[in-house]
Amino acid sequence: KQEVTQIPAALSVPEGENLVLNCSFTDSAIYNLQWFRQDPGKGLTSLLLIQSSQREQTSGRLNASLDKSSGRSTLYIAASQPGDSATYLCAVSEYNFNKFYFGSGTKLNVKP
Amino acid sequence: GAGVSQTPSNKVTEKGKYVELRCDPISGHTALYWYRQSLGQGPEFLIYFQGTGAADDSGLPNDRFFAVRPEGSVSTLKIQRTERGDSAVYLCASSLNKVEKLFFGSGTQLSVL
Repeated sequence: KQEVTQIPAALSVPEGENLVLNCSFTDSAIYNLQWFRQDPGKGLTSLLLIQSSQREQTSGRLNASLDKSSGRSTLYIAASQPGDSATYLCAVSEYNFNKFYFGSGTKLNVKP
Repeated sequence: GAGVSQTPSNKVTEKGKYVELRCDPISGHTALYWYRQSLGQGPEFLIYFQGTGAADDSGLPNDRFFAVRPEGSVSTLKIQRTERGDSAVYLCASSLNKVEKLFFGSGTQLSVL
């Protein structure tokens, strides 16, 4: 069974700092990987989707990379803002399976 | 609608009661997922529908849990004889096709007293 781990569980940084969130998975035979943001009491919002054939995806200040062979993905946030404070989750799907496996998330706090 | 809608947003029930949770996906999305999320954890897969049929129900914890999607749009998650351990946020998500970009609803917070 696919296991997804996110480290650190929580992170607090001052506004303006660049930061990296990590995601690792145990089975490299993934179909795609998705990064989500979750605000307290809310559902999840998809930020970036990387197909298994891709190495990275970018959206604004966000850049996600994928290294299938090592079972790792990183989410890079440039010039962090207080509005970026939320929990960030990664999820992977596998060939011939119909679900995403989620990590437990990294809770980010960006201090003004 | 513009997004995935879940009702009710909160449900409080007593142990042993029956509950139904509703999900209205984005129009045209054929794939629909139910997940369950406990505090501080990532969502845990329950069931996946492609159209009207349950293509994968391997995440349902036991036979007290059942879900339907009779017309390929709205889905209902049904829980019989609720237990305190069923308390969690139940999330619904839809996508154009399976394992593509997921759009989540705001969830139903279920509390079993």
